[in-house]
Formats: sequence, structure tokens, C-alpha cells
Amino acid sequence: EAQVTQNPRYLITVTGKKLTVTCSQNMNHEYMSWYRQDPGLGLRQIYYSMNVEVTDKGDVPEGYKVSRKEKRNFPLILESPSPNQTSLYFCASRSQGGGYEQYFGPGTRLTVT
Amino acid sequence: GNSVTQMEGPVTLSEEAFLTINCTYTATGYPSLFWYVQYPGEGLQLLLKATKADDKGSNKGFEATYRKETTSFHLEKGSVQVSDSAVYFCALSARGGGNEKLTFGTGTRLTIIP
Repeated sequence: EAQVTQNPRYLITVTGKKLTVTCSQNMNHEYMSWYRQDPGLGLRQIYYSMNVEVTDKGDVPEGYKVSRKEKRNFPLILESPSPNQTSLYFCASRSQGGGYEQYFGPGTRLTVT
Repeated sequence: GNSVTQMEGPVTLSEEAFLTINCTYTATGYPSLFWYVQYPGEGLQLLLKATKADDKGSNKGFEATYRKETTSFHLEKGSVQVSDSAVYFCALSARGGGNEKLTFGTGTRLTIIP
């Protein structure tokens, strides 16, 4: 089954404790992206990757890092989480081909206390 | 920059009612337009899309037409069901430049009552 998976699905942590949210896709997609969803703001892009070893900032990159060492994986790293990073996070992927349809993971709900 | 404005929610309708959720956009060039749906506790699923002016996207009884002259992509369904209760997001993807990120509206929560 074609899918995007994320882990963990739920995470409660404390300020300053480094964490990583993993994302993996099995569709051989070149493009991957991270979004955060906040009430009243919709989804906003954090980082994206056009292919292996090619990453760039989205609209709200502050406080986040990413890496793309393999085509299928695109982890999101919070080096020193803060309460304003409490949010629902989605990973997405798509082919570089036409249509621009993005496939989303199930989401990771992060709470930073 | 690009932006999407969609109808504020929440929207509550009775089963079998007619649904319209308004969506307008601002973008340079000719974006692709999408409606995504988020069921409780789940990720976003593509509901329908349109890639050029006057295209009509349709799926599961939902329809939306890409109207360039009014920069709109309103979502409609003739007879809603309880199972349509979800949050609906209008989004656009501008072409070119490589990123082609999705720019989302704020979402409209729809509740259908039996």
C-alpha cells in the first residue's frame, strides 16, 4: 500500500529536550515536505526537500532542522523544543511529475511543556 | 505572495442538505487548486483537484470548478451525509520554481447532523 508514515503519532516533551519525528514514504517520491497545522492558521510549510541531500526552508523554519540522506526518509529535528512548537505536524510527499498532488502522513501531535 | 481564503466555520447542516464551502485565491500565474479533507484523527486526503481554468474536479459527490475570472474554487455537494463530517481545506500549488508548496486556507469544519 502506498503511504507516508510518521512516528511517533503523539509526543509530550519538555522544553529543551531534543526530539526527532520520523517520516518515511514508499512511493519513490523525490519531493518531501513538512507542515505544521495550527488553529486558525491552516497548514504552513516548515521545510522541503527536492531530492536526496537537497533541502530548503519553507515559511516557518525557525527552530527546526531536517535531513534527507535517503530518498524515502525525511526526519524533522527539534534541537531545543519550545512551547510555541506545540502543534500538529504533517509530512507529505509527491512525485516530481505533473499534478502536484501531495500525499500526507497521519500526523504527529506534539506538546512541549 | 500566494494566499487562500475560505469560508469560516464551523458549518452545521442536516443530512441531505446542499453544501457550499467558498474558496478564493490570490496567486501569480496559473496555480493548481485542491480540496483536501481531514477526518477526525487522520491526516489530509486529497478530495479533488483542478489544474487549469474551467476544469471541474469531482469525487465522492463533491465538485469544484476552477474559475479564473473570479479566482474561486468553491466546493459543492448536492446531498451531504453524516460521514462527510470533517475539516475541509482549500489549497493551491503555484507552478514553477521547484518547491510548488501547497498554500492552504484555514480550514472549514463541517458537521452533518442526522
